[in-house]
Formats: sequence, C-alpha cells, structure tokens
Amino acid sequence: AQKVTQAQTEISVVEKEDVTLDCVYETRDTTYYLFWYKQPPSGELVFLIRRNSFDEQNEISGRYSWNFQKSTSSFNFTITASQVVDSAVYFCALRPLNRLAFGKGNQVVVIP
Amino acid sequence: NAGVTQTPKFQVLKTGQSMTLQCAQDMNHNSMYWYRQDPGMGLRLIYYSASEGTTDKGEVPNGYNVSRLNKREFSLRLESAAPSQTSVYFCASSEAPPGGVDTQYFGPGTRLTVL
Repeated sequence: AQKVTQAQTEISVVEKEDVTLDCVYETRDTTYYLFWYKQPPSGELVFLIRRNSFDEQNEISGRYSWNFQKSTSSFNFTITASQVVDSAVYFCALRPLNRLAFGKGNQVVVIP
Repeated sequence: NAGVTQTPKFQVLKTGQSMTLQCAQDMNHNSMYWYRQDPGMGLRLIYYSASEGTTDKGEVPNGYNVSRLNKREFSLRLESAAPSQTSVYFCASSEAPPGGVDTQYFGPGTRLTVL
C-alpha cells in the first residue's frame, strides 16, 4: 500500500523564520516519484517540485529547498525566511504508478 | 492557455438531486483525474482516465460516475447527491513526456454543498 504521512497539521511561524515540513512515505515500489504542491487560501493547487526515487540530490529553488532521504523514506520541505505569501497548505504526494497518493497537508501560517 | 478549467465554481444541492461537474483542459493531455478534498483528509482520487475512451476507479468511486467525452473533457456525475458528498472537487490532467514522468496540473476546484 502507498501512504504519505505529514504529521504536523498546522505550523505557525513569525515572518522571516524558517519552517520545515516533514513528509514520510511508504511504498513497496522501487521506482516512484514524490511531489510537493502548494494550496494558497484562494484554493488552487500549485505544483512545486517533483523528484524521482533514484535522485537523492537535495534541491534549492529560491527560498524553497527539499531534502530527499531514501534511507528514512522522507522528503522534507524547508521554506527559508518565510513571508506572509507563504501562508498556505502544503501537500506531499507519492506516485508509484499513475496515481497520486496525497498526504493530509501541512497548514502553514506566517504571522507578520 | 487556460490550463484546466472547471464549472461551476460553487454549487448547492439538496439530497437526492443530481448534477454534473465539468472539466476541460487545453494542454492536449491524455490523462485526466477527479479528486475530492475534505478537511483533514488531503485529496482522494475518485476516478481517472488514462486516455480518451478509458476510465478507472480510484480510491473513493462510490456514488459517482464519469464520462471522458473527448480528449479535452472529463465530467463527474452525482446521480443522487448525499450530504457525505459535500466537498471540494478538483479535476487534474497530466501527460508523461517520452521516457519521463507526468506531473498533474489542477483546476481551480468546485465547492459543492449537499443539504
């Protein structure tokens, strides 16, 4: 079975603080893909990043960075120097075949 | 490009009424999906269509039917709405490049309330 766990339901930070969102996944497949999506208050889902199971390189994109560790089945997401516009729900998702399995999301609230 | 569009944006139904949610994409994607999002539950797959003419059940298909009308359009029908179907419904589409993996792109959602 495929499962994605995002344990922290709501995280509040003061603007300019860093915030890390944990994502732990379970799958028996040796080839799979991991995704992060952002859902701002307006409701749409915005694709952020995709990573395949063979590529454990960390990635940085502006203030966003991702740490993929296959040994611990984790794909964590860090927002550096948070801003109010980062307030959103962030979903981690696992795709072993052609179906995405989503975690329950992390609600991030950035306080000005 | 509009990407993935959904109509309507909001809908209120009474128990037992029927309705169809519409989804269209202009990215020439083969695969399309319907999800529902409930508080604290993340997104759950209702149905998907890997290509025109095919549909398959997802995680929570009961109470729903789908139609892949053509490559662009994928509709979701509630034949007899129930309060448990109150949710936000998202349509998505994707296309895998040769040798690559697909990324799903989502529509803006339809907020449905069943009284």
